Amino acid sequence: EVQLLESGGGLVNPGGSLTLSCTASGFSFSNYAMSWVRQAPGKGLEWVAILTGSGSSTSYADSVKGRFTISRDNSKSTLFLQMNSLSAEDMAIYYCAKATQWLISEDWFDHWGQGTLVTVSS
Amino acid sequence: SYELTQPPSVSVSPGQTASITCSGDKLRDKYVYWYLQRPGQSPVVVIYQDTKRPSGIPERFSGSNSGEIATLTISGTQPVDEADYYCQAWDTSTTLVFGGGTKLTVL
Repeated sequence: EVQLLESGGGLVNPGGSLTLSCTASGFSFSNYAMSWVRQAPGKGLEWVAILTGSGSSTSYADSVKGRFTISRDNSKSTLFLQMNSLSAEDMAIYYCAKATQWLISEDWFDHWGQGTLVTVSS
Repeated sequence: SYELTQPPSVSVSPGQTASITCSGDKLRDKYVYWYLQRPGQSPVVVIYQDTKRPSGIPERFSGSNSGEIATLTISGTQPVDEADYYCQAWDTSTTLVFGGGTKLTVL
């Protein structure tokens, strides 16, 4: 059974940093691209970032480019999202999601974690 | 940047057919994916590549994509189908976008 478990969310001051983790199990982690998708309270889904199975290629939404870094440790089946210069607009539930292919390509997300909440407030 | 537009809400009576639309420029040239999200839960894909249904998704869910509009159709809608529905498409070869979401009410 595929499982994705996010962690690392919490309260952070505006301008602060936070790193999210997503621990995967039940599939060959390095064989699939992985992504982060967020959802602000009461709002819709917003794609954040994606990277290939090897982690060698990444892509970001304009809203986070230059502030967020997606990475992975395939030896530990773990996905990361390093978030810097956080603002109130970044406050959301952050989901990790598994793609169905190794590359960043025309694809969809067949498994999602339960999400971790990031709150940005002083 | 590319935008996908969905109606904020759709209402349907139990047993009837619900149609949720997703519009975007030249959408017919892209694949569209549909997710449902029940309150307090994570999204689940119900349609991929315009018309395909993942294993485990009931046959009452179907999709189409023509012109500038993609449509998710739920035939014989059940109360359990009440959820938020999101369409998704790839903006470029490496970036993707979600529609704003549609709240389906079954009453």
